Amino acid sequence: EAGVVQSPRYKIIEKKQPVAFWCNPISGHNTLYWYRQNLGQGPELLIRYENEEAVDDSQLPKDRFSAERLKGVDSTLKIQPAELGDSAVYLCASSLEGSRAGTEAFFGQGTRLTVV
Amino acid sequence: QKEVEQDPGPLSVPEGAIVSLNCTYSNSAFQYFMWYRQYSRKGPELLMYTYSSGNKEDGRFTAQVDKSSKYISLFIRDSQPSDSATYLCAMSWGAQKLVFGQGTRLTINP
Repeated sequence: EAGVVQSPRYKIIEKKQPVAFWCNPISGHNTLYWYRQNLGQGPELLIRYENEEAVDDSQLPKDRFSAERLKGVDSTLKIQPAELGDSAVYLCASSLEGSRAGTEAFFGQGTRLTVV
Repeated sequence: QKEVEQDPGPLSVPEGAIVSLNCTYSNSAFQYFMWYRQYSRKGPELLMYTYSSGNKEDGRFTAQVDKSSKYISLFIRDSQPSDSATYLCAMSWGAQKLVFGQGTRLTINP
């Protein structure tokens, strides 16, 4: 069974440009997360979806970040415009709805974003 | 003060040694405690999780939770070079949101 798939793996863009990341969760997983991991730090939650509904986006910088999860499956995270401080690894994870407090979240390999 | 504190290391030990990794936390509401392993340029993978206090063992790995001290540990016995990775502790209180520590970079030397 395929795991969480993310693309692209790497992205280098100039500041002020837009960028988008794509995530395909594990089949049947209703809960989808986007995390950001800065160098030498642990991941931090940006947004959590239950099916197509964003149920926790309190940490998402809404002035420049947006996300969507159409049909409750794939998800896209967008940054527009990107800033130098957005350089990080963006991780997507998924879990079964109702799994114990996210304990069984499976992560993708991440998209490494470099803003120059 | 961060909710979860973890010594970033780096930690370097010889093959076969017992490794102890630790995290402290401040939020007494945390009930689920997890350890993830992250290889370079990979996503985190779940190693173990524990609910509330107590110990849990899985092969060479043992997780311990002491809620009274707000302290969790991961022990690796007979460490192998393939255990070299960054180890992340994570915690949750049932809101499907994981709060991660900074991660400890571990190197096992052959």
